[in-house]
Amino acid sequence: NAGVTQTPKFQVLKTGQSMTLQCAQDMNHEYMSWYRQDPGMGLRLIHYSVGAGITDQGEVPNGYNVSRSTTEDFPLRLLSAAPSQTSVYFCASSRTGGGYTFGSGTRLTVV
Amino acid sequence: AQSVTQLGSHVSVSEGALVLLRCNYSSSVPPYLFWYVQYPNQGLQLLLKYTTGATLVKGINGFEAEFKKSETSFHLTKPSAHMSDAAEYFCAVSDRDGNNRKLIWGLGTSLAVNP
Repeated sequence: NAGVTQTPKFQVLKTGQSMTLQCAQDMNHEYMSWYRQDPGMGLRLIHYSVGAGITDQGEVPNGYNVSRSTTEDFPLRLLSAAPSQTSVYFCASSRTGGGYTFGSGTRLTVV
Repeated sequence: AQSVTQLGSHVSVSEGALVLLRCNYSSSVPPYLFWYVQYPNQGLQLLLKYTTGATLVKGINGFEAEFKKSETSFHLTKPSAHMSDAAEYFCAVSDRDGNNRKLIWGLGTSLAVNP
C-alpha cells in the first residue's frame, strides 16, 4: 500500500496564481483532512471530509477550496495565492477509531 | 471547547536518559488520545494512541504513554533516549463521537538528544 500520496512536494507560485494540491489514499479511509503547518503555530485544519461528497471547513478555510468526489482523492485548491499561504501542507486520512496517516507534505512558497 | 497543552516547547536530554514529554488536555469526557512524531522535512507518524482499555499504551520505537483521567494527562515517556529520537512530538485529542474525527493538536515539543 502506498498510504497517502501528496503531489507536488515543492511548489513556488506567484501572488494571484491558482493551483491544486493533490492528495490520494489507497486505504479506503472515510475521513480525510488538509492541514497547514507554520513555525510556532502547530497544525491548523483547513478543510476536512467525512466521506465522498461531504466536506466541511476547518479553522483556517479562507482562500482554499476542496472537493471529495471519490473516497480516494481529496484535492486542495488555492484560488488566488497570497504570500500568507506560504506554508507546508499536509494531507491525512483515517478510519473511525484509528490514527491518522499523513502524507509527506507539500512545501509551498508564494512570492 | 477542547484544548491540548504540551508543556515545554523544547526539551533536551542526554543520550541514555529518560525522555518525558508532557501533554494535558481539557475535555468533559475522556477523548481519544494520540502522540505523533515528525522527523525533519517529513510528515507526521503515529507513535501510539489511546482509545479504550488499558491506560498504559505502548507504541513504536520504545515509547509509551499513560492516560490519567484524574489528571487529564497523557504524558509520553521512553526509558532511554537515542540520538535518533531527536524530532518534533505532537499530542492530539479527538472527540469520541464517531462522526467527528477532527483532531485538536498541541503546539509540539522539540526533543533534542545530546551525546
